Amino acid sequence: QVQLVQSGAEVKKPGASVKVSCKASGYTFGSYDINWVRQAAGQGLEWMGWMNPNSGNTGYSEKFQARVSMTRDNSITTAFMELSGLQSDDTAIYYCMRRLPELEFDSWGQGTLVTVSS
Amino acid sequence: DIQMTQSPSTLSASIGDRVTITCRASQSISSWLAWYQQKPGKAPKLLIYKASNLESGVPSRFSGSGSGTEFTLTFSCLQPDDFAIYTCQQYDSYPRTFGQGTSVEVK
Repeated sequence: QVQLVQSGAEVKKPGASVKVSCKASGYTFGSYDINWVRQAAGQGLEWMGWMNPNSGNTGYSEKFQARVSMTRDNSITTAFMELSGLQSDDTAIYYCMRRLPELEFDSWGQGTLVTVSS
Repeated sequence: DIQMTQSPSTLSASIGDRVTITCRASQSISSWLAWYQQKPGKAPKLLIYKASNLESGVPSRFSGSGSGTEFTLTFSCLQPDDFAIYTCQQYDSYPRTFGQGTSVEVK
């Protein structure tokens, strides 16, 4: 079955960077885009961007454009999301998702809590 | 960016109730709308795609309708497992945008 397994919780200081991984299994990794969203405590979902594992092409939300990078390592079927210049309002759960054409986000990782605190 | 607005923000209902949640888009998105269910501490789960199509394994008491700018998610007969947060999302264009969520609570 399709699975997306994310890396564990992180605690970072303001100004630092975080890199979250998302290991895919159960399907052909290169066939479908991986997207990332985040959710602050008690808040809604905020879309951050997408990456095509086959081509490496990416598209980012304008809000994160300057400080987000989405990459992949096809040899280990893993996608990565790196966010730099962390501030306290970046404290949130970060999710990776597989995007299927017409269905949208059918499979989600379990989420990674990133806490930014001095 | 396309704004997605859900109503109500919170809904109190009883087991067996018929419940409807509304989602409005700030511009036409054709039928490119998904609905997700989220329970505390869990990732969202896809319920409905392309406005009215039930994802595999989702109970038939859920249904979605609408096109253009106005959409609804309906529960024909609310069950204990249905108390959760429901969020709509447009995928007509980038950036993808979500509604703020509707919390379905026990009355």
